[in-house]
Amino acid sequence: EAGVAQSPRYKIIEKRQSVAFWCNPISGHATLYWYQQILGQGPKLLIQFQNNGVVDDSQLPKDRFSAERLKGVDSTLKIQPAKLEDSAVYLCASSLEFYNSPLHFGNGTRLTVT
Amino acid sequence: KNQVEQSPQSLIILEGKNCTLQCNYTVSPFSNLRWYKQDTGRGPVSLTIMTFSENTKSNGRYTATLDADTKQSSLHITASQLSDSASYICVVSLTNAGKSTFGDGTTLTVKP
Repeated sequence: EAGVAQSPRYKIIEKRQSVAFWCNPISGHATLYWYQQILGQGPKLLIQFQNNGVVDDSQLPKDRFSAERLKGVDSTLKIQPAKLEDSAVYLCASSLEFYNSPLHFGNGTRLTVT
Repeated sequence: KNQVEQSPQSLIILEGKNCTLQCNYTVSPFSNLRWYKQDTGRGPVSLTIMTFSENTKSNGRYTATLDADTKQSSLHITASQLSDSASYICVVSLTNAGKSTFGDGTTLTVKP
């Protein structure tokens, strides 16, 4: 099966600019996650979708981050305006079921904010 | 606060040697515990998943153990290979909430 696809692979922007990341999950996977991984740390959940509904966005900085999952398939994560501390790898993951299913991760987008 | 603590933070071993990575957690109520391998520049890949009732789970040269009473898990790697060089992340999930807590990982370096 095809894996989770993410783009772009790398992105460099200046602070206060905006950026968007795209994710295409594994076909048939209802649950989609966006994680932020800072160097040397484990992934931190930003938002979780079940189909096209939000299950958990408690850790999403909503004043600057937004995410959507149209039609319950692809998803985009946007940052506007970006701050220096947003420099991280943004990982998208999907799973077949809500509970007890392994997460399948994409290779992430490495964002550098200068 | 639900936490997952991994040790050691980093480890260097020679090719062919065995090693054991530790994961202690305070997550409750517990649903399952997973170990992931993350190669540099790649997303994490699932190695094992263990539920509350399972004590051990193997995947090739990787063997995970779980003691739900002491809230400890270990990942044992046998006959290490250069390709085992990666970060190993322990993830614990809450019951009925689907929420997962990630450890910060152990960085393993296997040298020839």
